[in-house]
Amino acid sequence: AQRVTQPEKLLSVFKGAPVELKCNYSYSGSPELFWYVQYSRQRLQLLLRHISRESIKGFTADLNKGETSFHLKKPFAQEEDSAMYYCALLSSNTGKLIFGQGTTLQVKP
Amino acid sequence: GAGVSQSPRYKVAKRGQDVALRCDPISGHVSLFWYQQALGQGPEFLTYFQNEAQLDKSGLPSDRFFAERPEGSVSTLKIQRTQQEDSAVYLCASSLPGLPSSYNEQFFGPGTRLTVL
Repeated sequence: AQRVTQPEKLLSVFKGAPVELKCNYSYSGSPELFWYVQYSRQRLQLLLRHISRESIKGFTADLNKGETSFHLKKPFAQEEDSAMYYCALLSSNTGKLIFGQGTTLQVKP
Repeated sequence: GAGVSQSPRYKVAKRGQDVALRCDPISGHVSLFWYQQALGQGPEFLTYFQNEAQLDKSGLPSDRFFAERPEGSVSTLKIQRTQQEDSAVYLCASSLPGLPSSYNEQFFGPGTRLTVL
C-alpha cells in the first residue's frame, strides 16, 4: 500500500531553534517525495522535491530509503516559517499525490 | 500569469442538494487533479484528467461524485444529493505535461470549502 505518515500534528519551537518535521512513507518501488507548505490564508504550494536535492528557504530534506523517511529540517527556525507542512508521495502510475495528514509548525518569538 | 482558480470559494448546501464546483487550470496545462481535504487531514485524491480524458477516478468516494472536463480545460466536480460527510475543502491542481514525474509540479487552486448542513 502507498501511504505517507506524519506522526506530529503540531510542532512548536522557539525562533532560532532547529526544526525537524517527520515523514515516513510506504511505497514499493523508487519513491518520489515532496514537501508542500500552506501559509495562513494562502494556497498549497510546493516547498521542495527530493529529486532536486535543493534547499529552499533554508529547509532541506533527505530521502532515507532504509528508514523509509523524508524528514524536513531547518537549522534555525524563523517566525515566518509558521505554516502547515505536508509530505507527499508521487504515484508513478497517474501522477496523483498521496499526502500525509500534515504538521502545523508554530515558531514562537 | 494567473494561477489555478476555483469557484465558488465557499458553498453551503442543504443535505440532499446537488452542487457543482468549478476549476480553471493554468492555461495550457494538460493534467488536472481533484483532491478532497477533510478538516484536519491532508488532501486525498479524487480523480485525474489528461486533457479531456478522465484517466483515473479511483478516488471518487461514491457514484454521487462526478467530474468532467469536456474541452480539456475547465473542469467541474459535481456532487449529487450531498451528505454531511461531503463537507470538506475541494482542491483542484494542474500541471503542464501529460506524464507524471517529479519535475511536473502540481499547482493548486485556493479550494472550495463545501459545508453541508
